[in-house]
Amino acid sequence: AQTVTQSQPEMSVQEAETVTLSCTYDTSESDYYLFWYKQPPSRQMILVIRQEAYKQQNATENRFSVNFQKAAKSFSLKISDSQLGDAAMYFCAYGGATNKLIFGTGTLLAVQP
Amino acid sequence: IAGITQAPTSQILAAGRRMTLRCTQDMRHNAMYWYRQDLGLGLRLIHYSNTAGTTGKGEVPDGYSVSRANTDDFPLTLASAVPSQTSVYFCASSPGEAFFGQGTRLTVV
Repeated sequence: AQTVTQSQPEMSVQEAETVTLSCTYDTSESDYYLFWYKQPPSRQMILVIRQEAYKQQNATENRFSVNFQKAAKSFSLKISDSQLGDAAMYFCAYGGATNKLIFGTGTLLAVQP
Repeated sequence: IAGITQAPTSQILAAGRRMTLRCTQDMRHNAMYWYRQDLGLGLRLIHYSNTAGTTGKGEVPDGYSVSRANTDDFPLTLASAVPSQTSVYFCASSPGEAFFGQGTRLTVV
């Protein structure tokens, strides 16, 4: 069975600085997707970025980028130029052949002004 | 506006009562899911459906049932609620990445 591990329950970053959130996963599948979701205090789940496993190029969405290391089964999220609005819970998720999306336990990010 | 609608948004329920959480999507996605979110545990999959007429068990299915009579609706039923089912419940649909409803906060007392 697939698993997703987020080993950082909480992180903190200064406004305008860069922070990296870690995620590792375990799977025997070769074709899958990985995602990062943001959940602000409003409870809404917002897709931040997605990565297809067959793509070697790391996905980027404005200030958000990933470091996808397929052999190491690692999928970290880098947030550049952090803003107060980035403060939220961040979830890493795996989607494979069964269509089930498996989530990690989340990392709560605080942004200090 | 296309998306997923959950109802109710919050509910306080007496233990032992039956409750159905409603979920409707208008995006014609085949796959739908129910998750519960608990502090420190992230989102855990309760049940899922890959297409209308089929359902499957997720990580924490006990005490819950689902049905998928059509593409748009995916209700979650608690047959006899217990306090450990106090949680925030999310419905989602997916063509790949998941689109989420706004969640239902359920408190079982």
